[in-house]
Amino acid sequence: DTAVSQTPKYLVTQMGNDKSIKCEQNLGHDTMYWYKQDSKKFLKIMFSYNNKELIINETVPNRFSPKSPDKAHLNLHINSLELGDSAVYFCASSLGRSGEAFFGQGTRLTVV
Amino acid sequence: KNQVEQSPQSLIILEGKNCTLQCNYTVSPFSNLRWYKQDTGRGPVSLTIMTFSENTKSNGRYTATLDADTKQSSLHITASQLSDSASYICVVSGGYQKVTFGIGTKLQVIP
Repeated sequence: DTAVSQTPKYLVTQMGNDKSIKCEQNLGHDTMYWYKQDSKKFLKIMFSYNNKELIINETVPNRFSPKSPDKAHLNLHINSLELGDSAVYFCASSLGRSGEAFFGQGTRLTVV
Repeated sequence: KNQVEQSPQSLIILEGKNCTLQCNYTVSPFSNLRWYKQDTGRGPVSLTIMTFSENTKSNGRYTATLDADTKQSSLHITASQLSDSASYICVVSGGYQKVTFGIGTKLQVIP
């Protein structure tokens, strides 16, 4: 059984489009995250969401917005996609903010 | 500025050999340090976690050490296997929701 699952696994889209990436976890965790891994393999946290409290990395453009319909889901919406948004986006979850983070398989986003 | 630096950037070793990966950090305050293994095309998987008071932690053939005074950590892999080929990422947490990732060491184990 997949613990943290993301869809789609690959996403190719044109500049200016709006897209969403979905994430679901079945671990019963209360904290979920979105990370971006760029071409240089740097992993950077974008958002964390815990008990309806959203913490945003101040470097993330406001074109990116997380949406959490319930504790098991944290979707990522991206408006007006730019070439520089091309990266692999990872969803993760943990029990509490200091618990071990379990990562999804990643979504490779390519903006053309 | 909080930073996590890893060395070497890449490493090639023969199957069966041991190796040690290094992580130096400047994150303050310090909460914990984790080592993750990331296979190509996959998400990172946690190997070990150490808090301030712990100076060594083992997980099978992986042994991590931590010197909180010098802000250094190492990951030692014993009797390497082909499946150890991956990127190993050092992650330091400090304060409230402050998580800093290293760029990783890319390890390749060859027969």
